[in-house]
Amino acid sequence: AQKVTQAQTEISVVEKEDVTLDCVYETRDTTYYLFWYKQPPSGELVFLIRRNSFDEQNEISGRYSWNFQKSTSSFNFTITASQVVDSAVYFCALSEARGAQKLVFGQGTRLTINP
Amino acid sequence: DTAVSQTPKYLVTQMGNDKSIKCEQNLGHDTMYWYKQDSKKFLKIMFSYNNKELIINETVPNRFSPKSPDKAHLNLHINSLELGDSAVYFCASSRGYQSGNTIYFGEGSWLTVV
Repeated sequence: AQKVTQAQTEISVVEKEDVTLDCVYETRDTTYYLFWYKQPPSGELVFLIRRNSFDEQNEISGRYSWNFQKSTSSFNFTITASQVVDSAVYFCALSEARGAQKLVFGQGTRLTINP
Repeated sequence: DTAVSQTPKYLVTQMGNDKSIKCEQNLGHDTMYWYKQDSKKFLKIMFSYNNKELIINETVPNRFSPKSPDKAHLNLHINSLELGDSAVYFCASSRGYQSGNTIYFGEGSWLTVV
């Protein structure tokens, strides 16, 4: 069975600090996809990144970076020089290759950036 | 233009009522979804449709009936509303129904049953 665990329920940091959100997943498939979504206080779900299981290269997009490590079944998300606008709930999600698209979400991590 | 739009955004209704949430996407995608987010922020798929055909029905009570008149629309009708139906319902779409397709979500519809 597939499962995503985001052990950090809430994180609070001061602006300009770097922060890492952890995501650990479980799957029996060798082919799968990992996603991160952001849910700001306004409530919408915003897509951030998609990564397939065969691509272990780390990705950087501006202040955001993702570290995918198959050996530890982790797909962690780091925000560098955090800003107040980064305050949101962040969700990690997994989709196995078999069958139709179905995202299994983690519990989410509420990130608060204090000025 | 909003890519995935759903209405209403907020809905307060009494137990036992029937209500609908409408969803439209202008991304040209073939697949649409309904996800439910409960009070603890947990997100779970309810249904998916590909080109008007039901693909996934995730053991949702029969009181929930999705309808897809065309591939750009997926509406959710809920009969005999219960207190436990209070949640945020997200409509979403993706290019295809195969695993790995990126899913784009709407802004959510906040349903409160009193």
